Amino acid sequence: EPEVTQTPSHQVTQMGQEVILRCVPISNHLYFYWYRQILGQKVEFLVSFYNNEISEKSEIFDDQFSVERPDGSNFTLKIRSTKLEDSAMYFCASQSPGITQYFGPGTRLTVL
Amino acid sequence: GESVGLHLPTLSVQEGDNSIINCAYSNSASDYFIWYKQESGKGPQFIIDIRSNMDKRQGQRVTVLLNKTVKHLSLQIAATQPGDSAVYFCAESSDNAGNMLTFGGGTRLMVKP
Repeated sequence: EPEVTQTPSHQVTQMGQEVILRCVPISNHLYFYWYRQILGQKVEFLVSFYNNEISEKSEIFDDQFSVERPDGSNFTLKIRSTKLEDSAMYFCASQSPGITQYFGPGTRLTVL
Repeated sequence: GESVGLHLPTLSVQEGDNSIINCAYSNSASDYFIWYKQESGKGPQFIIDIRSNMDKRQGQRVTVLLNKTVKHLSLQIAATQPGDSAVYFCAESSDNAGNMLTFGGGTRLMVKP
């Protein structure tokens, strides 16, 4: 069964450093998403991406965040200058029209 | 603001019993609802969904009920098994691809052998 994959599984970084979280969505899906989950809290929407552009973003997704689909398979989330409060699980999801969103296993980001 | 929320943070059931997990939503424009299961250290796993033109949908050992009058959603798990132990989230969206999901706070289901 096809699935969303994410790398790395755990990323540790120093405050102020840039990080790139990577996702490989399910191959025939057209819509891509990033969500985050701070420890013990609910999953929060960050951004959706379709047809090579952002279609929707939340208040969390400020100028420090960017997304890119550099080739036909990868979907990345970049945080330019990480803050302590960026520490969370980051989930990628993908979707095809008419079906629900399928989530990857997540990347745990720890900012020190 | 609009939100999706859960009534019970923890539900403990005996193996073999039925489980019911509840969720309230406040956005009357919501027309698509999903239940996800999240095991420790893993991403949300799709369980079952329902659209607002239905009030009940059944899967394998799971049933989702939607009461639009009181904006309430429930997940019923029949013959609960230890492998069902996880956190369960409801999520809502409008029924169009590309729309964000709004998640509830989660209910932890603990199954006692």
